[in-house]
Amino acid sequence: AQSVTQPDIHITVSEGASLELRCNYSYGATPYLFWYVQSPGQGLQLLLKYFSGDTLVQGIKGFEAEFKRSQSSFNLRKPSVHWSDAAEYFCAVASNQAGTALIFGKGTTLSVSS
Amino acid sequence: GAVVSQHPSWVICKSGTSVKIECRSLDFQATTMFWYRQFPKQSLMLMATSNEGSKATYEQGVEKDKFLINHASLTLSTLTVTSAHPEDSSFYICSARDGASGSYNEQFFGPGTRLTVL
Repeated sequence: AQSVTQPDIHITVSEGASLELRCNYSYGATPYLFWYVQSPGQGLQLLLKYFSGDTLVQGIKGFEAEFKRSQSSFNLRKPSVHWSDAAEYFCAVASNQAGTALIFGKGTTLSVSS
Repeated sequence: GAVVSQHPSWVICKSGTSVKIECRSLDFQATTMFWYRQFPKQSLMLMATSNEGSKATYEQGVEKDKFLINHASLTLSTLTVTSAHPEDSSFYICSARDGASGSYNEQFFGPGTRLTVL
């Protein structure tokens, strides 16, 4: 069965420092991978996605993620964090079958200290 | 483009009453819509998948008689929480898949509906 693991429940990063949020997935074939961000009381915003091709994916707000098949990972990175990046981040996986739902990890809460 | 709206954004109701939540795709036709539930500080859990014109497929453990889902048109799906109880209080989020996008699983999320049952 498909599953997503986000090992870090809560991360605190200083403003201006780099960030890496970890995501590991379990899936039999090459999945479709996503990172979403959620601010308190808000819906989800797609940061980036990986379907195929270049394994380094660029997203919005300066985020990028790298798909590593050998490690079953899709870690999210940002070189310099801004205070406005404080939010909940979810990694998600889906099969390549049309019409299937996303499976979400438990999320990582990012706090940014000044 | 690809905007999904939900209405209401939050609702408070008395125990035993029913609440209807609407999910609309504003600028595309959604052949498939999904309903998720999110408890505080937790992840999104898929409740059901609905395809336009057919019955919804519910995930294991989700009571289909309690959470009624209707997807009568390509732009509207509704979730009705029947005889709501305090344990139904949660954040409900829908997503819609653009059937014409050509991108598998390109789903767009609504802003969510906060349900509080007193």
